[in-house]
Amino acid sequence: DAGVIQSPRHEVTEMGQEVTLRCKPISGHNSLFWYRQTMMRGLELLIYFNNNVPIDDSGMPEDRFSAKMPNASFSTLKIQPSEPRDSAVYFCASAQDRDQPQHFGDGTRLSIL
Amino acid sequence: GEDVEQSLFLSVREGDSSVINCTYTDSSSTYLYWYKQEPGAGLQLLTYIFSNMDMKQDQRLTVLLNKKDKHLSLRIADTQTGDSAIYFCAEGDSGYSTLTFGKGTMLLVSP
Repeated sequence: DAGVIQSPRHEVTEMGQEVTLRCKPISGHNSLFWYRQTMMRGLELLIYFNNNVPIDDSGMPEDRFSAKMPNASFSTLKIQPSEPRDSAVYFCASAQDRDQPQHFGDGTRLSIL
Repeated sequence: GEDVEQSLFLSVREGDSSVINCTYTDSSSTYLYWYKQEPGAGLQLLTYIFSNMDMKQDQRLTVLLNKKDKHLSLRIADTQTGDSAIYFCAEGDSGYSTLTFGKGTMLLVSP
């Protein structure tokens, strides 16, 4: 079975540009999570969806960040405008249901110059 | 808020056993997880344990849970160089979907 698929794997862009990260969860999974990983702060939950509905977005750092899940098989995390401090690895994870183990994608390594 | 603590680094020789420790503060934790992250990759779910269990064994992996002391450990028997990675402990509450992760323990296995 295919795991969680994220794209792109790497993104390098200049500050001020819009960045869109994409995620396809495991088929049949109802919960989807976006995380950010940095050396300083470790792994932080940004937002999670259950049945395509955002449940908790308290981890989204600023209004520059937004996430959508238009259907059960696709989600996006958008940063507009991007800043150098947004540089990090962004992970998407999915779970069969709210209290089931989360399975992670390979991440998007984002560098904002 | 919830907190999960892990030691940052562990070095062992190939063939030895590795023990990675984790402590957590949330007494309502229902699920406790171990994830493995290799360089440039995502977090791979290794194993998990429910809070009503004391121990879980899965091939070379043994998880021990001391709920009274809020202490979780992961033992890797016959550690191999391919086990070198960062290991994350995480705890979850059945009432919510979110997990709280530790900062990770880097395991270095030398030949």
